[in-house]
Amino acid sequence: EAGVAQSPRYKIIEKRQSVAFWCNPISGHATLYWYQQILGQGPKLLIQFQNNGVVDDSQLPKDRFSAERLKGVDSTLKIQPAKLEDSAVYLCASSHLRDRPYEQYFGPGTRLTVT
Amino acid sequence: SQQGEEDPQALSIQEGENATMNCSYKTSINNLQWYRQNSGRGLVHLILIRSNEREKHSGRLRVTLDTSKKSSSLLITASRAADTASYFCAPHLPGGGNKLTFGTGTQLKVEL
Repeated sequence: EAGVAQSPRYKIIEKRQSVAFWCNPISGHATLYWYQQILGQGPKLLIQFQNNGVVDDSQLPKDRFSAERLKGVDSTLKIQPAKLEDSAVYLCASSHLRDRPYEQYFGPGTRLTVT
Repeated sequence: SQQGEEDPQALSIQEGENATMNCSYKTSINNLQWYRQNSGRGLVHLILIRSNEREKHSGRLRVTLDTSKKSSSLLITASRAADTASYFCAPHLPGGGNKLTFGTGTQLKVEL
């Protein structure tokens, strides 16, 4: 079974620039999550999708972050404009709706550096 | 926010020794999960224990849950260098959907 795929793996941008991350979840996983992990901290949930609908985006900074999952499969997370404090690893995860729904499978992450 | 708080923050042991890390949380839970994160394999689900379970085993892992004390522990027996990683607990709240809230983790270092 292929895991969660993310790209790019690394990205360096200057502040005020925009950036986009892509995630392809495990096949058949209806639920998709984006997390932000700042160095030395645990992952923080930014947004949760079930199919193409948003379940929870309470911690997404909506003035600069946006995410979509148009066809209920892959997803993109965008930051525009980026700030220095957005430097972090962005993790995508997915889970099955009914089979062990609490168990999340994580991708390798995208390490973002904002200079 | 309902996140688990892991203790200790860092732990260094010799290969072959056992490692114990603890997690405390604040409110009632449906279940509690433990995850491991290292540079090689990223963040990986280790084990889930339900609120009506007191102990669960998986290979060299043993998890206990004490809902009266709102705490859990993860024991890794006969540790290996490959167990070097950060370990996170993630309590799951009733009505919280599948949302996980992670603490800052325990950084385990297993030395040869």
